[in-house]
Amino acid sequence: KQEVTQIPAALSVPEGENLVLNCSFTDSAIYNLQWFRQDPGKGLTSLLLIQSSQREQTSGRLNASLDKSSGRSTLYIAASQPGDSATYLCAVAKAAGNKLTFGGGTRVLVKP
Amino acid sequence: ETGVTQSPTHLIKTRGQQVTLRCSSQSGHNTVSWYQQALGQGPQFIFQYYREEENGRGNFPPRFSGLQFPNYSSELNVNALELDDSALYLCASSSLRQGVRTGELFFGEGSRLTVL
Repeated sequence: KQEVTQIPAALSVPEGENLVLNCSFTDSAIYNLQWFRQDPGKGLTSLLLIQSSQREQTSGRLNASLDKSSGRSTLYIAASQPGDSATYLCAVAKAAGNKLTFGGGTRVLVKP
Repeated sequence: ETGVTQSPTHLIKTRGQQVTLRCSSQSGHNTVSWYQQALGQGPQFIFQYYREEENGRGNFPPRFSGLQFPNYSSELNVNALELDDSALYLCASSSLRQGVRTGELFFGEGSRLTVL
């Protein structure tokens, strides 16, 4: 059974600092890994999708890496801003269109 | 391009009642899945529909049921509501057409259900 863990559960950083969010999964036989952002009481916004054959994906200030063999992914957010405050969730899929298994999320607070 | 839309956004029910939640998938998407997110936790997979049939189910009892319609919209029905059913219910759509199999899921804003 796939298990996804995100540590830490919460972190607080001053504005401008780089953010490093960790995600680990127990079964390396994944199809893809997706990072999401969730604002309080809202739905999930897809940030980055990494296919199992890829090692990283970038979008603006966001960069996500994937080390499938060790069961780890890291989301980097450069030069954090107060607007980056949210919960960040990672999720893995075993096959295309298959269910996502989510981690518990990391709640981020960026202080002005 | 229309995103995933869900209704209602909020609702309150009492124990034992039944509820129906609705979801319209993103344009061009033929697969819909439902997730339950309890407060402070990650979403849990309920089930998925593809071509109007259930195509995978998580660890949820039979009182959680669903439908997918020919236009790919979907309903989630929950019977005999329990207090623990209070959660944010999220709908996600994706495309399983040949040539478009990235597996990326797009989520709606969710329906917040409170059971008293």
